[in-house]
Amino acid sequence: EIVVTQSPGTLSLSPGERATLSCRVSQSVDGRHVAWYQQKPGQAPRLLIYNTSSRATGVPDRFSGSGSGTDFTLTISRLEPEDFAVYYCQQYGSSPPYSFGQGTNVDIK
Amino acid sequence: QVQLVESGGGVVQPGRSLRLSCEASGFNFDRYAMHWVRQAPGKGLEWVAVVSSDGSTTYYADSVKGRFTVSRDNPQKTLSLQMSGLRLEDTAVYYCAGPGPWGQGTLVTVSS
Repeated sequence: EIVVTQSPGTLSLSPGERATLSCRVSQSVDGRHVAWYQQKPGQAPRLLIYNTSSRATGVPDRFSGSGSGTDFTLTISRLEPEDFAVYYCQQYGSSPPYSFGQGTNVDIK
Repeated sequence: QVQLVESGGGVVQPGRSLRLSCEASGFNFDRYAMHWVRQAPGKGLEWVAVVSSDGSTTYYADSVKGRFTVSRDNPQKTLSLQMSGLRLEDTAVYYCAGPGPWGQGTLVTVSS
C-alpha cells in the first residue's frame, strides 16, 4: 500500500504570500496520478488539481501542481482570503487503495 | 451540472448494518468509476471503496474489507454502500465521489 505524507502539517501565511505544500508518496505513482483537494469547514472537499498538474474546472490559475515520481507540490501563487483551508493530496495510481495524505492546514498568520 | 446526493446515514449500534445510497445526475454515470470516501469527525479523508463503471470490479480499503460492499445500478444512476458489522471507528461522514463535485455527504454514527 502506498503511503502519502504531506508537509507541513500547518502553514501560517498572510494574504498575498506564496504557499508551497508538499506531498510525498512511498512508491512512484503511475501516470503521475496525484490529485489535490481543498476543504473548508463544514464543506465537502473540492477537487483542485488532478494528474499532478491539471486544474479542475473553475479553479483559479493561482493554483498549480507539479512533481513526479514520489514528490509532488501544490503551489498557491498569491493567497486570497478564501484560500485559507485544509488541503489534501491523494494518489490514485495503478491499483487501489487510493490513499490520501493527512492534510495541510493553511491558516492566516 | 454534475450532482451527487448521498443518503441513508444515521445512528446505528455496533455490529449492525446500514446501507448508503448516492444518486447521480448531470453526467454519463455509466462511463465512470465511482468511489466512497469517508471522514471521521475532526479527522482527514479516508478512501473506502471503488467500483468500476460497469460494476464488475470492486476494491476496498483494508479497514472495511469483508464488511462493506459497494455496488451500482447504472440505469438508475445510483451508487450504494452496504455496511455490515459496523464498528465505533466507522463513525464518519461518507461521501460518494466521481467526476465533478462531491456530494455533501451523509453522517453515519456508530454508537451503543
